[in-house]
Amino acid sequence: EAQVTQNPRYLITVTGKKLTVTCSQNMNHEYMSWYRQDPGLGLRQIYYSMNVEVTDKGDVPEGYKVSRKEKRNFPLILESPSPNQTSLYFCASSSGAGGLGEQYFGPGTRLTVT
Amino acid sequence: GEDVEQSLFLSVREGDSSVINCTYTDSSSTYLYWYKQEPGAGLQLLTYIFSNMDMKQDQRLTVLLNKKDKHLSLRIADTQTGDSAIYFCAELAGEDDKIIFGKGTRLHILP
Repeated sequence: EAQVTQNPRYLITVTGKKLTVTCSQNMNHEYMSWYRQDPGLGLRQIYYSMNVEVTDKGDVPEGYKVSRKEKRNFPLILESPSPNQTSLYFCASSSGAGGLGEQYFGPGTRLTVT
Repeated sequence: GEDVEQSLFLSVREGDSSVINCTYTDSSSTYLYWYKQEPGAGLQLLTYIFSNMDMKQDQRLTVLLNKKDKHLSLRIADTQTGDSAIYFCAELAGEDDKIIFGKGTRLHILP
């Protein structure tokens, strides 16, 4: 089954404690991205990757890092999480950056930083 | 810059038609999309329309595009309780083919 998986689904952590949210897709997609969803703000892109070893900043990259060492995985790293990073995070992948390359979204990771 | 706007809430009686509206700013957008997000889930592509089309119909869904006014709408005929979700309008915009999402319209179905 074609899917995007994220782990963990829920995470409560404290300020400053490094964390990683994993994202994996089994569709051999080249394009992957991370979004955060906040009430009243909709979806905002954090980082995206056009292919292995190619990553670019989205609209709200501050406080986040990503890596793309393999095509299937695109982890999101918070080196020193802060409370304003409490949000719902979605990973997505597609065969292209846009057009008919439909984006497939993961189920989301709800992060709370205290 | 690129921007996509839509109203935040819509309430519709079961069996009626729902119309969700969206405006966008990038006149060079080639594709426009509607995504659906059900509670506790990620977004799922519902339908899309290419910018040289005025209308696209897919079962209960009708997408209308007014390119002159940069206005996109999604009509859901015979709205059912399973249609209760957040609907996101999105456009493919900019030189880097970025997908810009609206803030989402929460569709509430009244019995």
